[in-house]
Amino acid sequence: KNEVEQSPQNLTAQEGEFITINCSYSVGISALHWLQQHPGGGIVSLFMLSSGKKKHGRLIATINIQEKHSSLHITASHPRDSAVYICAVHSVKGGSEKLVFGKGTKLTVNP
Amino acid sequence: DAGITQSPRHKVTETGTPVTLRCHQTENHRYMYWYRQDPGHGLRLIHYSYGVKDTDKGEVSDGYSVSRSKTEDFLLTLESATSSQTSVYFCAISESSRSRDSNTEAFFGQGTRLTVV
Repeated sequence: KNEVEQSPQNLTAQEGEFITINCSYSVGISALHWLQQHPGGGIVSLFMLSSGKKKHGRLIATINIQEKHSSLHITASHPRDSAVYICAVHSVKGGSEKLVFGKGTKLTVNP
Repeated sequence: DAGITQSPRHKVTETGTPVTLRCHQTENHRYMYWYRQDPGHGLRLIHYSYGVKDTDKGEVSDGYSVSRSKTEDFLLTLESATSSQTSVYFCAISESSRSRDSNTEAFFGQGTRLTVV
């Protein structure tokens, strides 16, 4: 079982729809990232969370440490939001730390 | 932008040849990572480093070696490249929340597209 699970794997939406992408993890963490990757592009960090909620424009990220779950929401989605969204955690085990990634959610927003 | 660069950005090489990819950072971050990204698999950890000369294997380490002789550079070497190592390789850096005022950071390189023919 992967340490970080994302759902859904693929998501197609119409422009303007509210979108939610979920991330569950099974390890102790110090922080969680939501990342964005456009086709053929590099990886951009959208949010880093260790608790609560963060908002940036139309993007909102939440994390529930007790339930080991995080969500990324996109309000009023737009075709330019089409990308792969990746959840990554700073996994902490035995005094060491490493970045562990989910497999990503491919989002397509149609006009 | 964070100071992390990968080189080269693109490389085509022949099966059996050695290849070295370089990740260079100017952030003085403790942790450095090499991942490969393949369709259907997402980002998979090859090796990572938690300090100078301190490295550990990831989930897909076979066929790869790494070295970190100084904080700013993390090298990934394919001793004898195979076609199965055709992939996009990403470097990442991070700093532990315990060591920097409770502020964990992570930054990502732009990727290196490696083709083994």
